[in-house]
Amino acid sequence: GAGVSQSPRYKVAKRGQDVALRCDPISGHVSLFWYQQALGQGPEFLTYFQNEAQLDKSGLPSDRFFAERPEGSVSTLKIQRTQQEDSAVYLCASSLSSMRETQYFGPGTRLLVL
Amino acid sequence: LAKTTQPISMDSYEGQEVNITCSHNNIATNDYITWYQQFPSQGPRFIIQGYKTKVTNEVASLFIPADRKSSTLSLPRVSLSDTAVYYCLVGDAPGTGANNLFFGTGTRLTVIP
Repeated sequence: GAGVSQSPRYKVAKRGQDVALRCDPISGHVSLFWYQQALGQGPEFLTYFQNEAQLDKSGLPSDRFFAERPEGSVSTLKIQRTQQEDSAVYLCASSLSSMRETQYFGPGTRLLVL
Repeated sequence: LAKTTQPISMDSYEGQEVNITCSHNNIATNDYITWYQQFPSQGPRFIIQGYKTKVTNEVASLFIPADRKSSTLSLPRVSLSDTAVYYCLVGDAPGTGANNLFFGTGTRLTVIP
């Protein structure tokens, strides 16, 4: 079956613009995770959903970052008033139930803020 | 304080067994240890997960000593296609604290012909 997909794959934004990154998890997966990966670094946890409930958003770096999963499937990560330090790859992962299950990652969205 | 520590890089010849050790001195009782592999321009891919002792699957083995303060990923007979970054992830269900899912910087494995 289809894996996790993310769109767009690449996004160039001018500083101050708002961006929206989309994640389509594997069908039926309850858990959804967002990570931020800077160049040469490992993924850093941003936020976690169980169905439509956002159970952990402790990793979101500022109130400019907002994530939602209104129907418990597709999720959107929104970054308002982008800054250069937001440039990174944003990874989405889903798992069948909890973190203890295998996380299946999407290919990521590479965001470049100029 | 970093939750996991791994060597930054390792080189190995094709056909050799590779062991990558991850230190996680502050591992919590409920934490599991999971290893992921990441190729350039791709998301990480699950390799293996364990809680204690030894776990083996068709790809790798994971050795965890009794104190669980470290773990070793063992890749048998590596090939060129195993060149990637390997991450050790320690954590439990999110919602129990900030940075509960911590990947670290990973180990860049280069397999040499």
